[in-house]
Amino acid sequence: GDSVTQMEGPVTLSEEAFLTINCTYTATGYPSLFWYVQYPGEGLQLLLKATKADDKGSNKGFEATYRKETTSFHLEKGSVQVSDSAVYFCALGGSQGNLIFGKGTKLSVKP
Amino acid sequence: DTGVSQDPRHKITKRGQNVTFRCDPISEHNRLYWYRQTLGQGPEFLTYFQNEAQLEKSRLLSDRFSAERPKGSFSTLEIQRTEQGDSAMYLCASSASGGADTQYFGPGTRLTVL
Repeated sequence: GDSVTQMEGPVTLSEEAFLTINCTYTATGYPSLFWYVQYPGEGLQLLLKATKADDKGSNKGFEATYRKETTSFHLEKGSVQVSDSAVYFCALGGSQGNLIFGKGTKLSVKP
Repeated sequence: DTGVSQDPRHKITKRGQNVTFRCDPISEHNRLYWYRQTLGQGPEFLTYFQNEAQLEKSRLLSDRFSAERPKGSFSTLEIQRTEQGDSAMYLCASSASGGADTQYFGPGTRLTVL
């Protein structure tokens, strides 16, 4: 069945470092792909999405490109801030309209 | 737009008791989803509604679980004869429609079964 694999955490970076969180997926067809973020004490919220191959989603300095050939949707940010500390979830749109999530990657950014 | 709300935020119960959770989606959102999240895992899909119709149920939704959305607005999730393995965060989300539409999540109900 459809599934998402994302890099294990936790990831600890210094402020202004470059961030990459890897995400690969297995799916039939061409699902929409999402990154959700969960800040401490808050609910899940959409960070960005891409609905077809080669689309780039972007928001708050984060970017991810839908790569059909490598079945990947890696999350990147050029310069992280302390306020980016959170758990990041990669997800794909399932055939029933539900979301299929990865296990999440916890990011801690130190000043 | 007041967002998705869930009640209660926390529930502690004893094994064998029944519990019911409520979700109020964003008004005019047709789709409502229930997910379960355990520690260190991503949310797992349980079921969803299109208006008042329950269209899909995951195999995770055993016969002890039942969900309703009687008037196509709020939804309830009931767990009968709770077990310790039911301890988790139960998340509700809503979207205007399906496909790539953004799902907006509530804060969740944390269930602890003693």
